Amino acid sequence: AQSVTQLDSHVSVSEGTPVLLRCNYSSSYSPSLFWYVQHPNKGLQLLLKYTSAATLVKGINGFEAEFKKSETSFHLTKPSAHMSDAAEYFCVVSSNTGGFKTIFGAGTRLFVKA
Amino acid sequence: ETGVTQTPRHLVMGMTNKKSLKCEQHLGHNAMYWYKQSAKKPLELMFVYSLEERVENNSVPSRFSPECPNSSHLFLHLHTLQPEDSALYLCASSQKWLDGNQPQHFGDGTRLSIL
Repeated sequence: AQSVTQLDSHVSVSEGTPVLLRCNYSSSYSPSLFWYVQHPNKGLQLLLKYTSAATLVKGINGFEAEFKKSETSFHLTKPSAHMSDAAEYFCVVSSNTGGFKTIFGAGTRLFVKA
Repeated sequence: ETGVTQTPRHLVMGMTNKKSLKCEQHLGHNAMYWYKQSAKKPLELMFVYSLEERVENNSVPSRFSPECPNSSHLFLHLHTLQPEDSALYLCASSQKWLDGNQPQHFGDGTRLSIL
C-alpha cells in the first residue's frame, strides 16, 4: 500500500529565511517521489522528482529535496524564501510495481512575510 | 506555456445546463487525466485515458461524461450538475500511463461554479 502525509497544512516564513516543507511517505516498493507547486488560479507545476538516482534532488527556483529511505521522508527545502514562493505545495508518491498508483498529498500552503 | 491548455478558464452554469470542458496537450503524451480540486480537500482523480481508451474511472457520478477523441484532446461533458460540483477541474497528461517515473503536466484548470 502507498500513502503520503504532508505534516503541515500551513507554513509561514519571513522573506530571506529558510523554507522546510515536510513529507513522509509509505510504499511497499521503490517509489518515485515528486514535489509540485500550485500558484493561485494555476495548475500544478513540477518542482522536482526523485526516481532512485541521487538522493539529493535539485529542482527549479532554488528548491531541493532529500530522499531518506530510513526515515521514509522527502522534505522540500530552500535556503532563502522569496515572496514569489508563496503558493501551495504538493508531495506525490508513485510506483509502477504492486499495482500502479499515484497518490497526492493534501498540500502545504506556504506564506511568505515581507 | 505549460503544454496543456484548458478552456474555458471560468464557467458558471445552472444545474440544468449542459456544457463541456476542453483539454488539449501539445506534448505528444499518451495518457491524459481529469482531476477535481475542491477547497480543503485533496486532489481527486476522476478519469484516466491511455491511447484514447478509458482505463480508470474512480466512481464518478454519471453527470460527468469524459470523451477522448484522440491522444491530444480530452473533454469533460457536464449535465445536471449539483452545487457540490463547484470546483477547479484540472487536466493533466503524461508520457505513458502506468509509468510512475514520469511526472504529470497540468493545465491551469477550469474554475466551475454551479448556481
